This record gives sequence, structure tokens and C-alpha cells, in this order.
Amino acid sequence: KAGVTQTPRYLIKTRGQQVTLSCSPISGHRSVSWYQQTPGQGLQFLFEYFSETQRNKGNFPGRFSGRQFSNSRSEMNVSTLELGDSALYLCASSTTGGGTGELFFGEGSRLTVL
Amino acid sequence: KQEVTQIPAALSVPEGENLVLNCSFTDSAIYNLQWFRQDPGKGLTSLLLIQSSQREQTSGRLNASLDKSSGRSTLYIAASQPGDSATYLCAVRASGANAGKSTFGDGTTLTVKP
Repeated sequence: KAGVTQTPRYLIKTRGQQVTLSCSPISGHRSVSWYQQTPGQGLQFLFEYFSETQRNKGNFPGRFSGRQFSNSRSEMNVSTLELGDSALYLCASSTTGGGTGELFFGEGSRLTVL
Repeated sequence: KQEVTQIPAALSVPEGENLVLNCSFTDSAIYNLQWFRQDPGKGLTSLLLIQSSQREQTSGRLNASLDKSSGRSTLYIAASQPGDSATYLCAVRASGANAGKSTFGDGTTLTVKP
């Protein structure tokens, strides 16, 4: 059974640009959540989607957005990139929305903003 | 606001030693608690999931306990091996209004010396 797949694995952008990251969950999983990991702030929750609906959102500015498609694949977008957006972005999938299921993570997308 | 604390931040032990990692959380309104390991530059690997109604889970040399009323969990690793060297993270999944949101500790970085 394939795990959670995130693309691209690495990317470099410049300030002011925008970026889109993709996450394909484990087959049959309908919940996808996104996290930002930085050395200073650790792992922080961005948002969770279940059946194409955003269920919860963390404390990030509106430049961070996401969506989920009918096949459960999810994308997150960051507009007007800032240096502080440099981070490892992790996606996790789960069988259930709302919090009871086990989280399975992908390898992450490492974003560097210059 | 949920806060998760992991003690110690770093731990170095000789191979073969048994060890305990600690995780504490401030809000007991949780669905579950999950332990992960993370190798440098990699995603998170799920180790154990404990639902809020459970007290303990075991997998191989790993045993995790949960005391929801006191806001504590421990991860016990028996007969440690160099391959256990990694950062161990605990995460609590909120119930109620924040259902689906996971809050992570900053992790314990474990080094097992041959």
C-alpha cells in the first residue's frame, strides 16, 4: 500500500513569489492535514481537510491556503512568499476527519525562500 | 490553548539501556495521543497511537502509556539500539471545537551510542 506522497520534495523560491505544494494521501484516507516545521517554532498545524471541506485552521496568515479535491488529494498554496516561510511542509493523512484516526505523514516538501 | 512539553530535550545513552521519554499536555480534551520518530530531514514515522479511553499501547520494544487526567504520557524503549537514534515527538489530537487539530511537542533527540 503506497504511503503519503508529497511533491515537490525540494524547491527554491524568491521573496514575493507564490508556491503550490501537493499531497496524495494513502488510498482510502479522506482526511488530509498540513503542518509547517521550522527549527524555531517546531511543528505547527496549518489546516485539515475532510471530504473537500476545511475542518480546522491554525494561526497562520491568509497567505496560506489549501484545498482538497474529490479524490482526496490536497494542495496548499503560499502567496507573496517571505523569508520566514522557509520550512519543511508536512502533509498527513488519516482515515477519519475530526481527530480520532492515526496520522500518517509524507516525507515533506522543503521550501527555501531567498 | 493546548501546550505540549517533552522532557528531556536531548538524551544520550549507551546501547542496551532501557529509557523513558516524557510528554505532558495542558488540556485533557483530546481524542488521542500519538508518538512519532523523525530522522534528520525526513518525515514523521508513526510509532504508537493511544486513544483517550486507553491506558497503554505496546509495539515490540516500545510501550506508551497515557494518563489523560494528569496530562501525561511516557514512551518506554527497551534494550535501546543505535538504530533508535532519532527525534521522538508526541502529538495530542484535540476534541471539541478544535477537533482534528494536532499539537506537537518540540521532541526529544535520542542518541544511542554503540
